[in-house]
Amino acid sequence: EDQVTQSPEALRLQEGESSSLNCSYTVSGLRGLFWYRQDPGKGPEFLFTLYSAGEEKEKERLKATLTKKESFLHITAPKPEDSATYLCAVQAFGAGGTSYGKLTFGQGTILTVHP
Amino acid sequence: DTEVTQTPKHLVMGMTNKKSLKCEQHMGHRAMYWYKQKAKKPPELMFVYSYEKLSINESVPSRFSPECPNSSLLNLHLHALQPEDSALYLCASSQGYGGGTEAFFGQGTRLTVV
Repeated sequence: EDQVTQSPEALRLQEGESSSLNCSYTVSGLRGLFWYRQDPGKGPEFLFTLYSAGEEKEKERLKATLTKKESFLHITAPKPEDSATYLCAVQAFGAGGTSYGKLTFGQGTILTVHP
Repeated sequence: DTEVTQTPKHLVMGMTNKKSLKCEQHMGHRAMYWYKQKAKKPPELMFVYSYEKLSINESVPSRFSPECPNSSLLNLHLHALQPEDSALYLCASSQGYGGGTEAFFGQGTRLTVV
């Protein structure tokens, strides 16, 4: 069974204080790893897709990296508007090498950035 | 345009009511999904439609009935729900059943069953 574990559960930062969020995963065959941002009462907003170990993606103050066992979301000089829940999800290959649309999500990291 | 539109945004229904949630996308995506999200929990997959055919049903109770009238629309028909079904219902779409591509989510319907 696919499993995704995110840490920490909650993270409080001062504006400008850089940090990283962790996503550890266990999957039979990784088709893709996804990072989403979710604001309270809203749907998840897509951030990044990572497909293979060593891959990196950047967007503004965010940088996502991937190894064979985990992914990191690095936040550089965060601002209060970066406060949100960050969700990591994996998509696995199904039987026979086919892939399915199912995303398995981690529990999320609640990020709060204080001014 | 990466927009998935869900209506209504909020819905309150009694346990004997019948209601429907609607989802629409115009990105040409051929896979559409329903997820359920309880408070402080991650989204959980309910159904997957691929090319307008039901591909995955994650053992969802029959009081939830999905429908995909065409490639742009996805409905979720609700009947005889229980209070524990109260949650945020999310619709999503992605390019195709091949997977490995990002899913774009709507803003959700906040459902309260009384």
